[in-house]
Amino acid sequence: KQEVTQIPAALSVPEGENLVLNCSFTDSAIYNLQWFRQDPGKGLTSLLLIQSSQREQTSGRLNASLDKSSGRSTLYIAASQPGDSATYLCAVPDTGKLIFGQGTTLQVKP
Amino acid sequence: EADIYQTPRYLVIGTGKKITLECSQTMGHDKMYWYQQDPGMELHLIHYSYGVNSTEKGDLSSESTVSRIRTEHFPLTLESARPSHTSQYLCASSDGGAGIRQYFGPGTRLTVT
Repeated sequence: KQEVTQIPAALSVPEGENLVLNCSFTDSAIYNLQWFRQDPGKGLTSLLLIQSSQREQTSGRLNASLDKSSGRSTLYIAASQPGDSATYLCAVPDTGKLIFGQGTTLQVKP
Repeated sequence: EADIYQTPRYLVIGTGKKITLECSQTMGHDKMYWYQQDPGMELHLIHYSYGVNSTEKGDLSSESTVSRIRTEHFPLTLESARPSHTSQYLCASSDGGAGIRQYFGPGTRLTVT
């Protein structure tokens, strides 16, 4: 059974820092991996989707990497801003459903 | 960009009332999902559908029911609301295939008093 874990559960950094969020999964036979952002009390916004054949995807200050063999993905946020404060979730598809990690709650302090 | 809608966005209702949370999408997606999320907690899949007249229970047991009569519409119903149903309910749809990409609605925050 696929399991997805995110470390750390919470992270607080000063504005301007570069940071890395981690996601690991137990079954490396995945089709893709998706990173989401969730603001408090809101729905999920898809940030990046990496196909299994890709090593990384970039969108603005965000860069997501995927290492299937080790069952890991990282989300790199460059030059963090207070507006980046949110919960970040990773998810992988499994038997027609998405399996989510518990999320990393990020706070970027001005 | 994805177009998936949920109404109402916020609902405060008394115990024992019947409620229906609406979810609709305009992308023609066959697959739709309902998640329940308590504040600060994980998402839990409670229902999903792979197409019209197809519904399945998710990983978390729920007293709610769903129906899928039209592709674009996936409403969730609670016959008798209880305070334990207080939560955020998120609807999602996907473009299918083995590699699922899900698009989420804005959510409905339900409070049962």
